[in-house]
Amino acid sequence: QQPVQSPQAVILREGEDAVINCSSSKALYSVHWYRQKHGEAPVFLMILLKGGEQKGHEKISASFNEKKQQSSLYLTASQLSYSGTYFCGTDPPGGGADGLTFGKGTHLIIQP
Amino acid sequence: DVKVTQSSRYLVKRTGEKVFLECVQDMDHENMFWYRQDPGLGLRLIYFSYDVKMKEKGDIPEGYSVSREKKERFSLILESASTNQTSMYLCASSLLQSNQPQHFGDGTRLSIL
Repeated sequence: QQPVQSPQAVILREGEDAVINCSSSKALYSVHWYRQKHGEAPVFLMILLKGGEQKGHEKISASFNEKKQQSSLYLTASQLSYSGTYFCGTDPPGGGADGLTFGKGTHLIIQP
Repeated sequence: DVKVTQSSRYLVKRTGEKVFLECVQDMDHENMFWYRQDPGLGLRLIYFSYDVKMKEKGDIPEGYSVSREKKERFSLILESASTNQTSMYLCASSLLQSNQPQHFGDGTRLSIL
């Protein structure tokens, strides 16, 4: 079952902040975040693991609430380059390197 | 930098044809994945492989098969293409451990007429 992302779309002015949420109905081992620009491959942003480990880009911040099976991606002082579609991908318990189950995406538009 | 290369950016085939989509990665990754991406549905996992000759079904394997004869290459096969398989197909690779990011290719936009 796909995780649910919210909002589906958001339009911001440059410099504003955004939060993108990802919620799963299943217990999770990890949550991955990717950004995809139109016509391009998804690009890795961050991994959040059960137990608190995080791996990703310095300018991106995110949280992972294991009990609630939720993750949030925080985009502060947004830049034009942040525009794109953001996907969360979830990894079930067991920690095996299975393929991810992705949400349907959040479209982010940053306007000057 | 990791490079995941998909053989075709655009492909047009006819209903009933056998279609091969090829993916090659150059970073000695153990894991390789095939996803399809459709508007409003996000990315959905078709098949993945964690070793040569090993394959595991993902969420939507029906109508597809895969082949991994060499570590660097992972092929997706549409046995008898149908119009509902028109989609963007994305290949990805990663190291074996689950705390590793997936690296995606640019995708193949496949149209079945």
